[in-house]
Amino acid sequence: AQSVSQHNHHVILSEAASLELGCNYSYGGTVNLFWYVQYPGQHLQLLLKYFSGDPLVKGIKGFEAEFIKSKFSFNLRKPSVQWSDTAEYFCAVNALEYGNKLVFGAGTILRVKS
Amino acid sequence: DAGVIQSPRHEVTEMGQEVTLRCKPISGHNSLFWYRQTMMRGLELLIYFNNNVPIDDSGMPEDRFSAKMPNASFSTLKIQPSEPRDSAVYFCASSLDIDTEAFFGQGTRLTVV
Repeated sequence: AQSVSQHNHHVILSEAASLELGCNYSYGGTVNLFWYVQYPGQHLQLLLKYFSGDPLVKGIKGFEAEFIKSKFSFNLRKPSVQWSDTAEYFCAVNALEYGNKLVFGAGTILRVKS
Repeated sequence: DAGVIQSPRHEVTEMGQEVTLRCKPISGHNSLFWYRQTMMRGLELLIYFNNNVPIDDSGMPEDRFSAKMPNASFSTLKIQPSEPRDSAVYFCASSLDIDTEAFFGQGTRLTVV
């Protein structure tokens, strides 16, 4: 079955620590990949996206993600987190073979301690 | 553009009542999505439209749920009759095309008592 897996449901880090959030998907074929962020009480906002080209994509607020096709992964990274990065992070995929419907992972709640 | 606009922002209703959630997508966007977010189930895709036509409604939980998109600038999600387990935040999102990034509305927080 088509799915998007995020490995960690809760992550707690201190400010300035490095962040990596895992995301794996089970679709074959052509995929578009996204990371969204949801700050407390707010709607989802796009952090970054990958459609094609350079597998290392840079997004807003210092976030980046790397698409590794052989591993079906699209992990999100940030070298040094800030307290303001406290939010829930969602990986999302749409796949041509599944009618391009945008499917989200379960989300990872990140709490950054100041 | 004002972004995706949803109304109401909050809705409290009694079990058995009809609830209608509304969404105005970004002008020029051809695809529209309805999602439901709960603590237990996360973010679930309920239905999505492309050029006002429903493409996949396999995520609609029951016949009590229905969605329409009568034109390119308006969509509704209706629950009739509503039940307490329908309590959730319902998000509408739109995108230029079905395979491009989606922009989300502020959501409607529905509470069924």
